Amino acid sequence: GESVGLHLPTLSVQEGDNSIINCAYSNSASDYFIWYKQESGKGPQFIIDIRSNMDKRQGQRVTVLLNKTVKHLSLQIAATQPGDSAVYFCAENRPGTASKLTFGTGTRLQVTL
Amino acid sequence: NAGVTQTPKFQVLKTGQSMTLQCAQDMNHNSMYWYRQDPGMGLRLIYYSASEGTTDKGEVPNGYNVSRLNKREFSLRLESAAPSQTSVYFCASSVPPGGGFSGANVLTFGAGSRLTVL
Repeated sequence: GESVGLHLPTLSVQEGDNSIINCAYSNSASDYFIWYKQESGKGPQFIIDIRSNMDKRQGQRVTVLLNKTVKHLSLQIAATQPGDSAVYFCAENRPGTASKLTFGTGTRLQVTL
Repeated sequence: NAGVTQTPKFQVLKTGQSMTLQCAQDMNHNSMYWYRQDPGMGLRLIYYSASEGTTDKGEVPNGYNVSRLNKREFSLRLESAAPSQTSVYFCASSVPPGGGFSGANVLTFGAGSRLTVL
């Protein structure tokens, strides 16, 4: 598969523990945020999204938290499983950019048994 | 339902050669995109097409051209490849923004095309 990044920040988590992946975004006017998961050799896959008028959104085993005051986004994964091992990207949508998302550089999540 | 299909998956070129990356989606999405992914740089938008017949430059368009052949297909062409274009390329498609919370701006990506320029 493709090389996603040789120098990505890495988070190691034991199977069954909760994971928290953080992302700082740059534009205070951004109105929409998405988390993507990228497994080795595959394209990014949508996990969860949140609009700027919300602070929290929950999905299946995942929760996204948005703190607009400090321009910070986090992805929480409950009961982390080996299949969660991947690179996780946050993306922000800036008003006036017509669907053109700006992606972060990613965090590698390694799940240990 | 294949989603977004890219070809080829791997390609090696010599400097100065040309090639076209093909992309097709079967989800009836209006918008299509080409991104490149480099270590430490995240995904960067090369070109996008909001609808059939329209294209627009993204963050890193230099050295590339695109064609939105029809609603399904969006190709990326390198006219004279350079080593700086060595990367993994991703095609994506989406529904137009707006029209509801859960669908807005969500991109569906292809599996990627690894290009090496020697």
